Amino acid sequence: QAVLTQPASLSASPGAPASLTCTLPSGINVGTYKINWYQQKPGSPPQFLLRYKSDSDKQQGSGVPSRFSGSKDASANAGILLISGLQSEDEADYYCMIWHNDAHVFGTGTKVTVL
Amino acid sequence: QVLLEVSGPGLVKPSQTLSLTCAISGDSVSSNSAIWNWIRQSPSRGLEWLGRTYYTSDWYRNYALSMRGRITISPDTSKNQFSLQLNSVSPEDTAVYYCAREGHGDFGIEYWGQGALVTVSS
Repeated sequence: QAVLTQPASLSASPGAPASLTCTLPSGINVGTYKINWYQQKPGSPPQFLLRYKSDSDKQQGSGVPSRFSGSKDASANAGILLISGLQSEDEADYYCMIWHNDAHVFGTGTKVTVL
Repeated sequence: QVLLEVSGPGLVKPSQTLSLTCAISGDSVSSNSAIWNWIRQSPSRGLEWLGRTYYTSDWYRNYALSMRGRITISPDTSKNQFSLQLNSVSPEDTAVYYCAREGHGDFGIEYWGQGALVTVSS
């Protein structure tokens, strides 16, 4: 089973940008996948933020602020969630997900702390 | 807006069967544009996809490899819901169980139910 690797934690100040990575295992080319991103706050289910395959194939979740955006780093074989200008309400866990080999595969999650 | 509500026992004994139901409002379990998923989350295993069912002229199912042989996901069109059965449970199956909806061709899940904690313990 594929494992999507995310940094365990990230801390940043309010107003600062935050870049969350989701690294795919070698042998799985990030360029061919739609990367889904979710935000989860304590006691709540994950909330869909966005889906990104390319600049021409992407979808923002309903009501999701435009400060959340997706991209990829092909050299790192990783999907990226960029939060441009952290706000206190962005403090949460963030997960990536792909559809691979007839299964949804989740990332390990990143806990974002707003200092 | 799609709303999903999980119901079922919160406590299951080891070796028994875990059974949960997901009631759907705002959509149809038989919709040709929707796929219905079960996912669970635990501190030790993180988010784990279990399986899904959908209808496109016939009913189809996909199950996680790790669950095959123990899992059944079934639609109930009369009640507009779908269910999860997990056999031979152990304490490692203790988790919050979510039902969720994805759109055909989206390759992603957009709507999640609130989830239900199921504890496996004698």
